[in-house]
Amino acid sequence: DTGVSQNPRHKITKRGQNVTFRCDPISEHNRLYWYRQTLGQGPEFLTYFQNEAQLEKSRLLSDRFSAERPKGSFSTLEIQRTEQGDSAMYLCASSPGHTNSYNEQFFGPGTRLTVL
Amino acid sequence: LAKTTQPISMDSYEGQEVNITCSHNNIATNDYITWYQQFPSQGPRFIIQGYKTKVTNEVASLFIPADRKSSTLSLPRVSLSDTAVYYCLVGDEDTGRRALTFGSGTRLQVQP
Repeated sequence: DTGVSQNPRHKITKRGQNVTFRCDPISEHNRLYWYRQTLGQGPEFLTYFQNEAQLEKSRLLSDRFSAERPKGSFSTLEIQRTEQGDSAMYLCASSPGHTNSYNEQFFGPGTRLTVL
Repeated sequence: LAKTTQPISMDSYEGQEVNITCSHNNIATNDYITWYQQFPSQGPRFIIQGYKTKVTNEVASLFIPADRKSSTLSLPRVSLSDTAVYYCLVGDEDTGRRALTFGSGTRLQVQP
């Protein structure tokens, strides 16, 4: 499978714990995005990387959230001191860098986080 | 960013053509119109994108009138597997905006 992969697919944690999610984009894509989606709503943008550089962050990305893409390939999203309001689907997407098309992004299956 | 408005839900039967209309009255000159499809427990999938008139691919057609204040996604002869949420997005291809802005989408239910 050469699509975007995300691990784990599901995560259940207790309030106050830290969690980390991983995203492996399509190999030749240098743009990587994180989104969050709650039930009944469309995905909301969290952050964007071009190669290893984090170029854009949403106001939704509080200081408890941090994302990295150390070698410009896979990315991790960490949530510290989780809260029940963090329960959501976390989606990763990637797109190629050789065009100006930001509008066609390839999404992974997501990681569903449940905070008890 | 241009705001989009689309129906919350639609029902159809297998074999029918489905048209989902999206209004975007404040669309800017550089904005493109993009549609995504999302199945339960999956990430969204790009369907089609257009700037004006009509665009067709193997999945759908996109009709955009001259004023570009609305667009219609047309799905020919839907099947049960087309049951999904469909999102209309408006944004430019320039470097100024990199994130996709999704609304709540249209939930399409296809009945046998």
